[in-house]
Amino acid sequence: GAGVSQSPSNKVTEKGKDVELRCDPISGHTALYWYRQSLGQGLEFLIYFQGNSAPDKSGLPSDRFSAERTGGSVSTLTIQRTQQEDSAVYLCASRGGENTGELFFGEGSRLTVL
Amino acid sequence: QQQVKQSPQSLIVQKGGISIINCAYENTAFDYFPWYQQFPGKGPALLIAIRPDVSEKKEGRFTISFNKSAKQFSLHIMDSQPGDSATYFCAARGGSGAGSYQLTFGKGTKLSVIP
Repeated sequence: GAGVSQSPSNKVTEKGKDVELRCDPISGHTALYWYRQSLGQGLEFLIYFQGNSAPDKSGLPSDRFSAERTGGSVSTLTIQRTQQEDSAVYLCASRGGENTGELFFGEGSRLTVL
Repeated sequence: QQQVKQSPQSLIVQKGGISIINCAYENTAFDYFPWYQQFPGKGPALLIAIRPDVSEKKEGRFTISFNKSAKQFSLHIMDSQPGDSATYFCAARGGSGAGSYQLTFGKGTKLSVIP
């Protein structure tokens, strides 16, 4: 597609359930980021993938969070045993070459944990 | 530790007025400073960016002013329009290791331009 695609756009789940959020980056973009956006808190870095390199997981808030990127393209962010504080918008972004700074964001997946 | 501090949290400007949003940073390794614009229900989109070798960059009605010695940069929106109503995020990137590719964002400014 022309832009970064994320699904689902909205997810309501019960506390303790697992959720998977999907990101389909712009074709050919080698770098992929996940950010979390909470109300009034800006964008919080979660994880970064670059090509075949080991991902930078330094932003993941707990071991309940994990992400993978298959075949250097689609990425899935998994949150296990969801908690109410996980409620937020999860944004995926992709970037082209190393020398370009621009991140292209998807529209996000809004997660609500009841 | 918040590495990029953004103010104000919210801003109301009359149509035709100038909107000014300020950001300050601590990390002198930052070498790329973008501003992102986000409309409700959408992801952020790059608006304008600057590198520290220049003090000002202008694109249409949008200008970034950069003060390297003060470690501050600001976004000016001239002739503000209702269509500019959005949340604006400043960001910074730079350094070695993770800093070379991670964007650190400010907490955002919600701008409302009233007719």
